[in-house]
Amino acid sequence: GQQLNQSPQSMFIQEGEDVSMNCTSSSIFNTWLWYKQEPGEGPVLLIALYKAGELTSNGRLTAQFGITRKDSFLNISASIPSDVGIYFCAGQETGANSKLTFGKGITLSVRP
Amino acid sequence: NAGVMQNPRHLVRRRGQEARLRCSPMKGHSHVYWYRQLPEEGLKFMVYLQKENIIDESGMPKERFSAEFPKEGPSILRIQQVVRGDSAAYFCASSPRTGPEQYFGPGTRLTVT
Repeated sequence: GQQLNQSPQSMFIQEGEDVSMNCTSSSIFNTWLWYKQEPGEGPVLLIALYKAGELTSNGRLTAQFGITRKDSFLNISASIPSDVGIYFCAGQETGANSKLTFGKGITLSVRP
Repeated sequence: NAGVMQNPRHLVRRRGQEARLRCSPMKGHSHVYWYRQLPEEGLKFMVYLQKENIIDESGMPKERFSAEFPKEGPSILRIQQVVRGDSAAYFCASSPRTGPEQYFGPGTRLTVT
C-alpha cells in the first residue's frame, strides 16, 4: 500500500533555530497535509496543500507541495519551546473526503 | 464552536470483553473517519463513514470490528472480544462536505488487560 517516509525519527534543535522536515512518497498524492501531535492529544492540522508547487505559510510555518506530487516539506522558523511535538505529514490520494495516509512522524525537541 | 469530541478518553477492557468508542464530529461536518495509532507509529486508516453509510472500510480488520454513523447520535467504533493487540489509541476525524481537511478528536486510549 501507500507509504510516506519521514526521517530522521527525531530532531534536536536550539531555540531560535530554523528546522526543515521532509516527507516523500513512492506514489502521487493530490493533497498534502501537515499535523502536529502533542502527548495525549490528537493531531492538530497545521497546513494543507492542494496544488503541485504550492507554497503556503501559517505564522512561522511554511510548507510546500513538491512539483512531482511525491513530496512535501515543512519549515519552522525561529523555533520556540512550544514547537516541541511530533510532526506528521499526510497524503490524500483523490479529491475531497477520502482517507489519509500518514508518515511515522518526526519528534522535534527544542533546547532553550 | 466545539471540535471533534470523543469519549471515553481512556478505556480499560479485559480480554474477551467489548469496547465501544464514540465520536461526535464538528458541527456542520458530515464525514467521519476512524484511525488507529500504535506507540511511535503514524495513524493508520480504518474506516470512513457518512450518515448511515460506510463509504470505505478497507482498513478495518475483517472480524470483531464494526463501525456505524447513525442518522442521530455519534459515530460508534465497536470492537468485540478484545485481545491484547487491540490496545492502541483510536482517533476519530471529521471533514466538511466541501473540503479535504480532516480535524481530529483527542482520541480514546484503549488498554486490554
